[in-house]
Amino acid sequence: AQKVTQAQTEISVVEKEDVTLDCVYETRDTTYYLFWYKQPPSGELVFLIRRNSFDEQNEISGRYSWNFQKSTSSFNFTITASQVVDSAVYFCALSEAPDSGNTPLVFGKGTRLSVIA
Amino acid sequence: GAGVSQSPRYKVAKRGQDVALRCDPISGHVSLFWYQQALGQGPEFLTYFQNEAQLDKSGLPSDRFFAERPEGSVSTLKIQRTQQEDSAVYLCASSLGLYRGVQETQYFGPGTRLLVL
Repeated sequence: AQKVTQAQTEISVVEKEDVTLDCVYETRDTTYYLFWYKQPPSGELVFLIRRNSFDEQNEISGRYSWNFQKSTSSFNFTITASQVVDSAVYFCALSEAPDSGNTPLVFGKGTRLSVIA
Repeated sequence: GAGVSQSPRYKVAKRGQDVALRCDPISGHVSLFWYQQALGQGPEFLTYFQNEAQLDKSGLPSDRFFAERPEGSVSTLKIQRTQQEDSAVYLCASSLGLYRGVQETQYFGPGTRLLVL
């Protein structure tokens, strides 16, 4: 069975600090996909990144970066120079590769990030 | 283009009432998912459609939950004889679902917050 663990329930940082959100996953599949979503107070899940298991390159998008390490089954998310607008709940999710169509996402319990001005 | 829309955004029901929640996916998206998000938790999978076919309903918690997508676009999640434990946010997501073996990004709607009194 697939499982995602986000051990950090809540994190508070002061604006402009860097913060890393941890994600550890479990799967028996050799091909799988990992995602991060942001859920601001408005409630809508906002897509941030999708990564398949064959692509271990780290990725940077503006102040966001992701570190994928298959050896430790981790897909951590770092926000550099955090801003108040980054305050939200962040979810890591895992899915198996589909034969056809798409497959459901398995989510972690989320990490609530509060950025204090 | 327009994103995933859901209605109503909020629903209060008395225990025992039936409710119907609507999802309008992104135009052209073949795959459609329903998830349930309890307070303080990550979303959990309920059911999946590929066009009008319901291919996976393993996450539906009881036979009181029923979903349909008769014309392969709009979907309705119906809950019969609502119970207090049904109180949650119900999220709909859609994805292209066109490419064999590729897990595409799921885009989420704003959700319907259901409160059963």
